[in-house]
Amino acid sequence: AAGVIQSPRHLIKEKRETATLKCYPIPRHDTVYWYQQGPGQDPQFLISFYEKMQSDKGSIPDRFSAQQFSDYHSELNMSSLELGDSALYFCASSTTGLKNTDTQYFGPGTRLTVL
Amino acid sequence: QQQVKQSPQSLIVQKGGISIINCAYENTAFDYFPWYQQFPGKGPALLIAIRPDVSEKKEGRFTISFNKSAKQFSLHIMDSQPGDSATYFCAARFPGYSSASKIIFGSGTRLSIRP
Repeated sequence: AAGVIQSPRHLIKEKRETATLKCYPIPRHDTVYWYQQGPGQDPQFLISFYEKMQSDKGSIPDRFSAQQFSDYHSELNMSSLELGDSALYFCASSTTGLKNTDTQYFGPGTRLTVL
Repeated sequence: QQQVKQSPQSLIVQKGGISIINCAYENTAFDYFPWYQQFPGKGPALLIAIRPDVSEKKEGRFTISFNKSAKQFSLHIMDSQPGDSATYFCAARFPGYSSASKIIFGSGTRLSIRP
């Protein structure tokens, strides 16, 4: 079965640089979520999109922005990178409908290292 | 403030034993309680989930027990195997009602199964 695809899998950036992470949801999933997971931490919700509109916002820094495109893939843009942004970034997808039976399926993650 | 409290932080179980991880929540608006299994460097994978109108759900060696009045739920892994060694996250979902829902994770339990 098709899963959530994330790219790149690994990314190394310098401080103050920008990074773009991409997420391709499971086919027919209309909702995308972004999470940040630091070492030994639980995933922290950043932001979600439903039908290409921002649905909810968590602890996402103002330096980060995201969007969902017409083909439902999503991109997380991170600017002015800081050392503390080094983490695993996960994308999850689900279907959100009237029955609201969505289950979030996670991608393999992008490991971002800021030097 | 951790909305979903998980314990223990780490757990060592002998092969063939029963692993038990406990979680508690406060918000009665949560409508769905998934458990995720995460291996190092991988994304969280949905293991098993339960709705609050059900007291127990079993899938193979994995069982969720749910106590709605106490606002507690637990994961039991029967006949624990070395391949079960991973970090387990309990979670709770805020329903979205026509928008994306939000998953709140517990702090995680690092489970090690000794051969």
